[in-house]
Amino acid sequence: AQTVTQSQPEMSVQEAETVTLSCTYDTSESDYYLFWYKQPPSRQMILVIRQEAYKQQNATENRFSVNFQKAAKSFSLKISDSQLGDAAMYFCAYRSRPPAEGSNYKLTFGKGTLLTVNP
Amino acid sequence: DADVTQTPRNRITKTGKRIMLECSQTKGHDRMYWYRQDPGLGLQLIYYSFDVKDINKGEISDGYSVSRQAQAKFSLSLESAIPNQTALYFCATSSAGGEDTQYFGPGTRLTVL
Repeated sequence: AQTVTQSQPEMSVQEAETVTLSCTYDTSESDYYLFWYKQPPSRQMILVIRQEAYKQQNATENRFSVNFQKAAKSFSLKISDSQLGDAAMYFCAYRSRPPAEGSNYKLTFGKGTLLTVNP
Repeated sequence: DADVTQTPRNRITKTGKRIMLECSQTKGHDRMYWYRQDPGLGLQLIYYSFDVKDINKGEISDGYSVSRQAQAKFSLSLESAIPNQTALYFCATSSAGGEDTQYFGPGTRLTVL
């Protein structure tokens, strides 16, 4: 079974600075998706960024980018020019592609990292 | 208007009561999911459905049932609620083809006393 580990329960960053959130995962599969979701105090789960394991190029979405290291099974999220609105719980998630036998199409989530942005 | 809606947003109920949480989507997606979020545990899959005639158990289905009334509607029921079902419940949807990224509703906070 796949597992996702977020080793930083909490992180803080100054407004306009850069912060990196860590995520590692364990899998025997070669093809999969990785995601970062953001959960602000409103509770909504918002997709931040997605990475296909077969793509070597790191995904980027405006101020958000990832450092995907497939061999190391590492998938970190970098937030540049941090804004007060970035304050949230961030979840890393894994999904098989195509869904492997018995995978249930489910997203496997880490336990999250709470990001605080200081003005 | 939101693409994925959940009702109610908050609910307090008593042990033994039957509760239904509803999810509707306007994204035209075939696949729908119910997750449960407990503090410090991330999200866990309860049930998922690939179409109206396809319902599958997730990793924590005991004590829950679901109904896929239409492509756009997927309901979660707690037949006899118990206090350890107090949690935040999310509905999600995804398309059958392509990237299959899951998009989440706003969540329902359920408290069972």
